[in-house]
This record gives sequence, C-alpha cells and structure tokens, in this order.
Amino acid sequence: KNEVEQSPQNLTAQEGEFITINCSYSVGISALHWLQQHPGGGIVSLFMLSSGKKKHGRLIATINIQEKHSSLHITASHPRDSAVYICAVGGGETSGSRLTFGEGTQLTVNP
Amino acid sequence: EAGVVQSPRYKIIEKKQPVAFWCNPISGHNTLYWYRQNLGQGPELLIRYENEEAVDDSQLPKDRFSAERLKGVDSTLKIQPAELGDSAVYLCASSLGGVHGHWGEQFFGPGTRLTVL
Repeated sequence: KNEVEQSPQNLTAQEGEFITINCSYSVGISALHWLQQHPGGGIVSLFMLSSGKKKHGRLIATINIQEKHSSLHITASHPRDSAVYICAVGGGETSGSRLTFGEGTQLTVNP
Repeated sequence: EAGVVQSPRYKIIEKKQPVAFWCNPISGHNTLYWYRQNLGQGPELLIRYENEEAVDDSQLPKDRFSAERLKGVDSTLKIQPAELGDSAVYLCASSLGGVHGHWGEQFFGPGTRLTVL
C-alpha cells in the first residue's frame, strides 16, 4: 500500500463543473502539498497546508489531520485546469523534509 | 523574480553515454532537491542539499549517479553511464529550508526530459 494515495486516478469533467480530488496518507506529517503539473513536466505548488482550509481563486484545499485526508476542490472548472494534480506529504518525524508523492490525478476539463 | 531554472529542457542520448543536468535555484533558497519522475508516477527524491552539503542522498544510485553543489547555489546532476531505465524527467526544486529539518514550500523547475536510446 502506497503511503500517499490519490483518487480518482483519472477525472474527466465538463467546463463549469465542481471538481474534487482526494488524498489519503498513512504517515505522520507536518504539512501537505498540492501540486499542479502541466504537460511538459513543469510543477507548480498550489498549496502547502497543515490544518484547516486554504483558498486561492477557484481552488480550495482542506486537510483533516486526524483522518489523514485532504481534498482539493476546483470550482467552476475550466479547460485550462486540465493537468495532473499531485498530493505530497512530509515533515513528519520519520520523513523529515523528504516529501512523499502520490501518483497524481489526471484531470481533463472539456469545453 | 526568476523561478528555478533548469537546462537542458530535453536530452536524447545513447545508452552508456554520460549526461549532465544543471539547476539554478531561486535566489536565497538554501535547500535544493533533485527528483526523478517516471511516466505516470509522482516524483522520487534523489538528493537534497542544505547549502553545499548533501544531507539526504539515500535514494541516489551512487554507482552511476553523482551530484554536486559546490558553492551552495547552482547544482549539477550527472549520470555516467546512462542506462535505458534512466529515461525520465529530472526535476530540480528549491525551498528556504533549514539545517534542522524545518522545510518549506518547494518551488519546482520545468524539468529535463531525458531519453536514453
């Protein structure tokens, strides 16, 4: 079992739909990242959070430390949101500053 | 302000040839990471530097991979000789970090896509 699991692996949506991507982890952490990766390899950090909720534009990230679960929500999705979304965790006693990455969720938003 | 810069963006070589990747982190970031990302998978850490010191290289295949960050700024990652299985995207990232395990948001470069024929 992977230490970081994301669901779904693939997600296709119509423009305007509300999207949720989930991340569950099994290790102790001090923070969780949500990253966005477009074709070509570049990775952009969307959020780093250790509790509660963060919002940036149409993106919302939540984390429940007790349940070891985080969600990334995209409101009013747009084709330009099409990318791979990666959850990464780290900062716990055993992992230190090493991040452990999920395998990513491929999101495709159709016009 | 410029982000993390990597070069080259793409590299195609034949197996058994050497290859080197270069990374220039964000100014002021003392922590630098090299990751390898295979197709359809998340990145895997190869090595982490705090300034010029490699503080985590447990995942680096030391028989053929080497890295350096001589002045605590730029870094190079080398593979010699390359094997077919080394084909992947090599990502560099940097963060403000800290020598006592504190770590912060990581900023990624565009990556170098390596193809070994």
